[in-house]
Amino acid sequence: AQKITQTQPGMFVQEKEAVTLDCTYDTSDPSYGLFWYKQPSSGEMIFLIYQGSYDQQNATEGRYSLNFQKARKSANLVISASQLGDSAMYFCAMREDTGRRALTFGSGTRLQVQP
Amino acid sequence: EAGVAQSPRYKIIEKRQSVAFWCNPISGHATLYWYQQILGQGPKLLIQFQNNGVVDDSQLPKDRFSAERLKGVDSTLKIQPAKLEDSAVYLCASSAGGVLDKEKLFFGSGTQLSVL
Repeated sequence: AQKITQTQPGMFVQEKEAVTLDCTYDTSDPSYGLFWYKQPSSGEMIFLIYQGSYDQQNATEGRYSLNFQKARKSANLVISASQLGDSAMYFCAMREDTGRRALTFGSGTRLQVQP
Repeated sequence: EAGVAQSPRYKIIEKRQSVAFWCNPISGHATLYWYQQILGQGPKLLIQFQNNGVVDDSQLPKDRFSAERLKGVDSTLKIQPAKLEDSAVYLCASSAGGVLDKEKLFFGSGTQLSVL
């Protein structure tokens, strides 16, 4: 059974600073994908970044990067140069490539960017 | 390109009543998902369709929840009768079914259900 753990219910960061949101996962499947989604107060889930279990390099998408440490089973999201619009809930999710293809989500981290 | 459409946006009902939610996925997306998101939690999968067939409904409370995806396009999720603990946001998502490991889900804005 897969499991996603996000241990930070809430985080604060100053505008223009970098912040790391933690995510650990548990799976016995050798092939899997890790995702981060942002959920603003409007409710829609917005895809941010993806990391495949066999990818050699950490994924980057603009100000977002994923610090993937496979041996530790962690997939932390790093947001550089935080902006006020980054204030939202952030969810880590995983999909095993065998079996069902739906995402399993963590409990989320609420990020608040302060001016 | 139009996104995932859901309606209604909000719904308030009393317990033991029935309710239905509608979802229209992105055009051409073969896979459709219904997630339930209780306040303060991450989304939890209820059911997954591939075209008009069910792939996974292991977490769907089948005594009260039902879902269908006729013709493999839009989908309806129904709750009958509703309980207080069904109060949540119901999110619909779709995916193209492309390269497996890069397949990402596109979500609708959700339906916020309040059961009184």
